[in-house]
Amino acid sequence: AQTVTQSQPEMSVQEAETVTLSCTYDTSESNYYLFWYKQPPSRQMILVIRQEAYKQQNATENRFSVNFQKAAKSFSLKISDSQLGDTAMYFCAFMKLGNNDMRFGAGTRLTVKP
Amino acid sequence: KAGVTQTPRYLIKTRGQQVTLSCSPISGHRSVSWYQQTPGQGLQFLFEYFSETQRNKGNFPGRFSGRQFSNSRSEMNVSTLELGDSALYLCASSLEPGAGANVLTFGAGSRLTVL
Repeated sequence: AQTVTQSQPEMSVQEAETVTLSCTYDTSESNYYLFWYKQPPSRQMILVIRQEAYKQQNATENRFSVNFQKAAKSFSLKISDSQLGDTAMYFCAFMKLGNNDMRFGAGTRLTVKP
Repeated sequence: KAGVTQTPRYLIKTRGQQVTLSCSPISGHRSVSWYQQTPGQGLQFLFEYFSETQRNKGNFPGRFSGRQFSNSRSEMNVSTLELGDSALYLCASSLEPGAGANVLTFGAGSRLTVL
């Protein structure tokens, strides 16, 4: 079974600074996808970034980038130039090929302080 | 393009009652998945539908059921409600199931409170 672990329940960062959220996962699958989703207080889950396991290059999306270490089964999210609107719960998620059974971590509550 | 629409947004039920939640996927999306979100258990997969067929089901009792219509809209039903069923129920749609590049797009959820 696949499990996703986020070891940081809460984090805070000053506006304009950089913060890194950690995520590790456990799987025996070789082909899978990893995601970071954001859930602001409005509770709508929003995709931040995704990574295909077969790609060695780390995904980037504007201020968001990941450090994907497949051998270590680690998938951290770096947010650069943090903005107040980045305040939200961040969920790391795993999905193997073939279905939409997405496994989520417990989440990290990020607060961006002015 | 309209997003994933879930109705109702909030509802309150009492133990023993049943509830039906609705999800309209993004136009053109044919796969619909349901998730339960609680403070204690986090986000858990309920089931997934594609072409009116349940493709996958999570580890939930038979009181939880769902269906998908020919227009891809989906409903989930919870019978004989228990206090522990209080949760945010999230629906997500994608073009097809399992193709990870087809990202899951979530709705705003239906907040169920069981008294």
